[in-house]
Amino acid sequence: EVQLVESGGGAVQPGGSLRLSCAASGFTFSNYDMHWVRQVPGKGLEWVSAIGTAGDTYYPASVKGRFTISRENAKNSLYLQLNSLRAGDTAVYYCARNIGQTGAFNIWGQGTMVTV
Amino acid sequence: EIVMTQSPATLSVSPGERATLSCRASQSVSSNLAWYQQKPGQAPRLLIYGASTRAAGIPARFSGSGSGTEFTLTISSLQSEDFAVYYCQQYNNWPSWTFGQGTKVEI
Repeated sequence: EVQLVESGGGAVQPGGSLRLSCAASGFTFSNYDMHWVRQVPGKGLEWVSAIGTAGDTYYPASVKGRFTISRENAKNSLYLQLNSLRAGDTAVYYCARNIGQTGAFNIWGQGTMVTV
Repeated sequence: EIVMTQSPATLSVSPGERATLSCRASQSVSSNLAWYQQKPGQAPRLLIYGASTRAAGIPARFSGSGSGTEFTLTISSLQSEDFAVYYCQQYNNWPSWTFGQGTKVEI
């Protein structure tokens, strides 16, 4: 079964840091671009980072310089380092995988809650 | 950044009725448009990608259309399990992926 499982969320003070993890299974992790998407409770979805198969990384302006995405293919794992956290970063954080070569996300984890 | 605008914010329909949801992009996204369904406490579920291609396992009552800046998600005959929030997402403006604010389909 293709699956993504996030962990590492929790409560942190403003200015603090947190590292989220996403364990992938059921597919060849190294072959896929991976993403993090967040959702403030009761609000919409916001893409917050992507990493390509070659390790290239991308961020929106809202988190660039504070968040760092990384991957460890040998462990089938995706990470998101959250630094200089603000109250506005409070959200459920999902990891997600593309369908094929498109930018549509067909595999999502269950999410992990970050409270700042 | 491409801004995605969905309408209406809330759509009230009865089971068995047809629902039509709209999504507009601030600039052309070609056919690089996806639709998701999200129920409370759950992750989003991909319904449609490429503006009109149903994802695996998605019932035929869900259909997508449009290209450029105007897109539509149609649910031909609403079932009880279809009451949820629906989001559109563009993935044309790589490497930036943006979502609409959502349309809540309620009874």
